[in-house]
Amino acid sequence: NAGVMQNPRHLVRRRGQEARLRCSPMKGHSHVYWYRQLPEEGLKFMVYLQKENIIDESGMPKERFSAEFPKEGPSILRIQQVVRGDSAAYFCASSPPPIGPGDNEQFFGPGTRLTVL
Amino acid sequence: GENVGQHPSTLSVQEGDSAVIKCTYSDSASNYFPWYKQELGKRPQLIIDIRSNVGEKKDQRIAVTLNKTAKHFSLHITETQPEDSAVYFCAASDLSGGYNKLIFGAGTRLAVHP
Repeated sequence: NAGVMQNPRHLVRRRGQEARLRCSPMKGHSHVYWYRQLPEEGLKFMVYLQKENIIDESGMPKERFSAEFPKEGPSILRIQQVVRGDSAAYFCASSPPPIGPGDNEQFFGPGTRLTVL
Repeated sequence: GENVGQHPSTLSVQEGDSAVIKCTYSDSASNYFPWYKQELGKRPQLIIDIRSNVGEKKDQRIAVTLNKTAKHFSLHITETQPEDSAVYFCAASDLSGGYNKLIFGAGTRLAVHP
């Protein structure tokens, strides 16, 4: 069972360009979370999605950022018109539906390190 | 919303010593408290977690304690080894909403010296 996959692992964009980050959850996982980690800081929650639904986007900036988790394919975090302050590591995590007490663990992907020049 | 405090920000110990990292949380509704270890350039990995219906949990050299009244929880690592060197993050979450939105502390950089 492959773990959570993210691509690309490294992404360089110039100011004003768009960044698309992809996350494929673990097999059987229908819940996806996105977190942002600035250098030397902790992870900050951005958005939580289930298949085809955004459940909680309270941590996502209102402008330029969007996320989706279509019925088929990976979850996508999209950043339009990137600025230098968007440079960070973006991690996604997946978990199974929280049916039992052991279903709370989130499995993190390797992250995408975005650098905005 | 939930706020999680973590200290110390850096911790240096000799191999074989114990290390203790402390966290506080603000939202009394939080009921799940995981700890993650992150090595340089790697993904966070869960090392232990505790739910609010227990006060202590142990897994080999790692233990976590929770004080719900004071809203703080701690990670204890005994007999530290150089491979324990990493950044450790605590987190808190309220699972009653049906999902696990983790609010992380700022991290503790642990260095274990041989």
